[in-house]
Amino acid sequence: ELKVEQNPLFLSMQEGKNYTIYCNYSTTSDRLYWYRQDPGKSLESLFVLLSNGAVKQEGRLMASLDTKARLSTLHITAAVHDLSATYFCAVDVINSGNTPLVFGKGTRLSVIA
Amino acid sequence: EAQVTQNPRYLITVTGKKLTVTCSQNMNHEYMSWYRQDPGLGLRQIYYSMNVEVTDKGDVPEGYKVSRKEKRNFPLILESPSPNQTSLYFCASSLRSGRLLYGYTFGSGTRLTVV
Repeated sequence: ELKVEQNPLFLSMQEGKNYTIYCNYSTTSDRLYWYRQDPGKSLESLFVLLSNGAVKQEGRLMASLDTKARLSTLHITAAVHDLSATYFCAVDVINSGNTPLVFGKGTRLSVIA
Repeated sequence: EAQVTQNPRYLITVTGKKLTVTCSQNMNHEYMSWYRQDPGLGLRQIYYSMNVEVTDKGDVPEGYKVSRKEKRNFPLILESPSPNQTSLYFCASSLRSGRLLYGYTFGSGTRLTVV
C-alpha cells in the first residue's frame, strides 16, 4: 500500500524567508503532483512532475522529484503572505488499475509579517 | 471553460434522509472520482469510475453509492446519511490514456453537515 508523508504538517514562516516542504512516498512511482488549497476552497494544481529529476518553478515556488529517493520537495523562496495555504502532494500508483492519486495529509503554511 | 461542477456547495440534512450530490465535467474525461476531506485525515477516496458503467470502491466506500450512466456525470448518493458523513466532499476528473493520469481537476467542493 502506497503511503505518502508530508513534512512538516504545519509551518509558520516569516515573510522573506525560505523553506522547504518534503513529500516522501513508500513505493515506486514516477509521477507526483502538488496542489494548493485555500481555506474552504477547492484544490488547485500547482505542479506535475513526471520523471526523475524533474524540476518545475512558478514564481516563488519550485518543486522537484527524486524517484530513487522517493522524495519530492516544494521550495518556497522569499515567502509572502499570499502563499499562506495548505499544500498537498499526491502520488500516482504504478501498475494500479485504479490509478488513484494518493494524497499526503497536507502542509498548512502560514506566512506572517 | 473546462471545469468540474458540483452541487450543492453547502448542504445541511438530517440523519436518514437520502441525498444526492451531483458532479458534472465538460472535459470528456474518462476517469472520475469522489473524495472526502476531514481534518487530520487528508483526502480519502470514496469511489471512482474508469469510464461509463465502470465504477469501483475506493478506501472509504461504506454508506455511499455512485453511478456513471453518462461520461460527464458522476453523482454521489447517500441513501441514509449519518453524522459521521459530515465532511467536505470533492469530485475530481482526469483524462486517462492507458495508465497515464494527467492529474486531477477538482470541483469546488460540497460541505455536507448531517445532524
